[in-house]
Amino acid sequence: GEDVEQSLFLSVREGDSSVINCTYTDSSSTYLYWYKQEPGAGLQLLTYIFSNMDMKQDQRLTVLLNKKDKHLSLRIADTQTGDSAIYFCAERYNSGAGSYQLTFGKGTKLSVIP
Amino acid sequence: DSGVTQTPKHLITATGQRVTLRCSPRSGDLSVYWYQQSLDQGLQFLIQYYNGEERAKGNILERFSAQQFPDLHSELNLSSLELGDSALYFCASSVRAGPPYEQYFGPGTRLTVT
Repeated sequence: GEDVEQSLFLSVREGDSSVINCTYTDSSSTYLYWYKQEPGAGLQLLTYIFSNMDMKQDQRLTVLLNKKDKHLSLRIADTQTGDSAIYFCAERYNSGAGSYQLTFGKGTKLSVIP
Repeated sequence: DSGVTQTPKHLITATGQRVTLRCSPRSGDLSVYWYQQSLDQGLQFLIQYYNGEERAKGNILERFSAQQFPDLHSELNLSSLELGDSALYFCASSVRAGPPYEQYFGPGTRLTVT
C-alpha cells in the first residue's frame, strides 16, 4: 500500500520557525494535506497543496513540495506555544475503481519551548 | 468546530461485547469515512460510504461493519471486541464534487475495552 513517513518529534523555541518534513510514495498523488491534532481533539485541516504546485503560503504556514523527491514540508513561522500539537501529513491517492483515499503519516509531535 | 459530530465521546466496555459508534457529517457532505487511531498503528482508514453506499474498504476487520443511512449519518459497529480494539475512532466527511477533496474530522470516540 501507500506509505507516508514523518519524523516523530520536533522541538523548537517560541518565536523560531518550525519545519516538519514528510515523504510519500505514490507519484500519482494529486493532493497532499497537513492536519493538526491537539490533545484530546480530532484532526484539523491546516492546508493542502496540489501536486502541480511547488509552494503554497497561507499566513504563517508555508508548504513546499518537491515532487521529484516525493518530499513535502510544512514551515510554521514565528512558532507559538499554541502550535504545540501533532502534525500529520496525508496523501490522496487512487485506490482503484474511481475511489480515492487518504494515507496518513504517523504524525510529528511539535513541542514549543517558551 | 468542523461541523462533524460523533457520539459517544467515550465508551468503556468489556471484551466480547458489541458497540455502535455514531457520526453525523457536515451539512451537505455526502461522503463519510471511518478511521481508527492507535498508538502503534497510527491513523488507519477503515471504510468509506458515499450517499448510502459503501465506496471503499481499508484495513477493516470482519468483526467491524458500518452503514450510512438516508439522512447521511453513519454508524460503525464493532463486535466481539478485543483488548486490541481499544483506540480512538474518527469519522470524517467530505463533499465529493470538486477539489481539493478535503476531509473534515469529528472529535472522535475513545473506545476502551477491558
